[in-house]
Amino acid sequence: DAGVTQSPTHLIKTRGQQVTLRCSPKSGHDTVSWYQQALGQGPQFIFQYYEEEERQRGNFPDRFSGHQFPNYSSELNVNALLLGDSALYLCASSVFPPDLNSPLHFGNGTRLTVT
Amino acid sequence: AQSVTQLDSQVPVFEEAPVELRCNYSSSVSVYLFWYVQYPNQGLQLLLKYLSGSTLVKSINGFEAEFNKSQTSFHLRKPSVHISDTAEYFCAVSDQGAQKLVFGQGTRLTINP
Repeated sequence: DAGVTQSPTHLIKTRGQQVTLRCSPKSGHDTVSWYQQALGQGPQFIFQYYEEEERQRGNFPDRFSGHQFPNYSSELNVNALLLGDSALYLCASSVFPPDLNSPLHFGNGTRLTVT
Repeated sequence: AQSVTQLDSQVPVFEEAPVELRCNYSSSVSVYLFWYVQYPNQGLQLLLKYLSGSTLVKSINGFEAEFNKSQTSFHLRKPSVHISDTAEYFCAVSDQGAQKLVFGQGTRLTINP
């Protein structure tokens, strides 16, 4: 049973460029959330997708956008990259509606470096 | 708004010694509390959670945490640590079950032989 898979594992981009990160949820999960973890910090919630729609959003600018596909996989897009966007981006999957006894399952993340 | 404060950024301990990682939270509504562990170059793994009921919750690998509503705390403890417990530990709070977590800044636990 595959868990949450993310690609690529590492990525280096230049300031001003655009980037797309990908996530496949754990088998049986239909909801995908994205978190940004800056170096030395805890993860911060970016947004959550269910039924191909953004359901909740954290305090991130519109440069951060996402998409969910019919197979429940998801993409995170970041436009006009800033140096401060350098971070580990974590994808987490779960079931909907939220089940108190069903924890989020996290992937190993994509390490994005903006130079 | 919810917030989580992990009072120690780093905790060094000797192997087989006890350890406590401190976590305080702030919320205006009922909350659910979690501890996650992150090993190097890996994602987060759920260690234990408090949803309701008994205020003392335990994990399968010897960690336990106690929910203290009056002190708004959820400290993580282990009576005897092992080298393999070396990792970053994150306390998190949510008012939506396991969804949309608010994390603390993490505590790096280093075990010395």
